Amino acid sequence: GENVEQHPSTLSVQEGDSAVIKCTYSDSASNYFPWYKQELGKRPQLIIDIRSNVGEKKDQRIAVTLNKTAKHFSLHITETQPEDSAVYFCAASTQDMRFGAGTRLTVKP
Amino acid sequence: DAGITQSPRYKITETGRQVTLMCHQTWSHSYMFWYRQDLGHGLRLIYYSAAADITDKGEVPDGYVVSRSKTENFPLTLESATRSQTSVYFCASSHDRIYGQYFGPGTRLTVT
Repeated sequence: GENVEQHPSTLSVQEGDSAVIKCTYSDSASNYFPWYKQELGKRPQLIIDIRSNVGEKKDQRIAVTLNKTAKHFSLHITETQPEDSAVYFCAASTQDMRFGAGTRLTVKP
Repeated sequence: DAGITQSPRYKITETGRQVTLMCHQTWSHSYMFWYRQDLGHGLRLIYYSAAADITDKGEVPDGYVVSRSKTENFPLTLESATRSQTSVYFCASSHDRIYGQYFGPGTRLTVT
């Protein structure tokens, strides 16, 4: 089955800096790659997703890039703010969604 | 987000007891899912359902039972709880098996 690895496990940045989280997947048939944000004690919330026929997608300060040849995809957050502090999960999907282990992002004011 | 709810939000039970976690959605989504979240493992799929009376195993189904007699409800039962089932359980729903899953608030289950 699909295996998703996510790096780094923790990330600390200064407010205003950029943050990048990377994920790799094993199943070349995967065709959907969502990113979820989970604040402490809250539910995971879908923040952006990308499908395999697209290489990059942006939504305001958030962007996701996909390299199907290398089987990796990344989340980019620009101009980080303290409210971006959370755990971020990537996932890859063919039939079932497989999640990465998560990245705890801390944005220091 | 109020469209998908879970109950109870917190539950403490003893080893060997049966416990049922409830999930209810008001979006008329066809698909519903149960995940468990453990530190270092992210979210792992336990069971999913494509429609009423249609369920299938996910990545970690052992020790769990599900049913779906109505489209809006998808209960998860631990028939004989074990300490390894201490976890946070999330229910999710979507129109499609893959795209755009929306999560409930979660149930924190502790098995003593």
